[in-house]
Amino acid sequence: GEDVEQSLFLSVREGDSSVINCTYTDSSSTYLYWYKQEPGAGLQLLTYIFSNMDMKQDQRLTVLLNKKDKHLSLRIADTQTGDSAIYFCAENPDNFNKFYFGSGTKLNVKP
Amino acid sequence: ETGVTQSPTHLIKTRGQQVTLRCSSQSGHNTVSWYQQALGQGPQFIFQYYREEENGRGNFPPRFSGLQFPNYSSELNVNALELDDSALYLCASSLQDRRETQYFGPGTRLLVL
Repeated sequence: GEDVEQSLFLSVREGDSSVINCTYTDSSSTYLYWYKQEPGAGLQLLTYIFSNMDMKQDQRLTVLLNKKDKHLSLRIADTQTGDSAIYFCAENPDNFNKFYFGSGTKLNVKP
Repeated sequence: ETGVTQSPTHLIKTRGQQVTLRCSSQSGHNTVSWYQQALGQGPQFIFQYYREEENGRGNFPPRFSGLQFPNYSSELNVNALELDDSALYLCASSLQDRRETQYFGPGTRLLVL
């Protein structure tokens, strides 16, 4: 299971909530991650979720995991212009060595 | 800032040449993974090093090779460069038994002409 799918673009207004979705294929994935990449920069780990959890909240970020449908989402509350970036979903199957990333969702936050 | 550093930041090479990229892992991290990120794509796993040995490899040819040193820093070597090797190369360090601790460096942008 190496296919991680994400929609390419999302545009929201400042102050609204953003929801970025991801589907993955490997049901053995123990950890699922969200990373943020700003232009010209490396990847910043935002949050991760254990596969035995349904939800994880961390300040403005809420991660929802539907293991049955292999669907992961990241909700950003009160989205700010500084949240404009590319967001990557990644899965880590039980083989610790490999992380599989989606192609990224470009979030554009309009003032 | 993650504490993972990479050098150089940018590099231009010509087809057929060889390149060495360097990575210093975050203090205390014993595992280094390398990724290739082509323009507009997500990172693709190249390989991982742990205890100075290759500890898993993605779908990359043998001309991609690496090293890890006793201080856990690492090098990525690419021989016989091809135009398609143009990409951002990312290094990530972690603890072997703590998957959630993988932190990325800023990357080296390689352009092959």
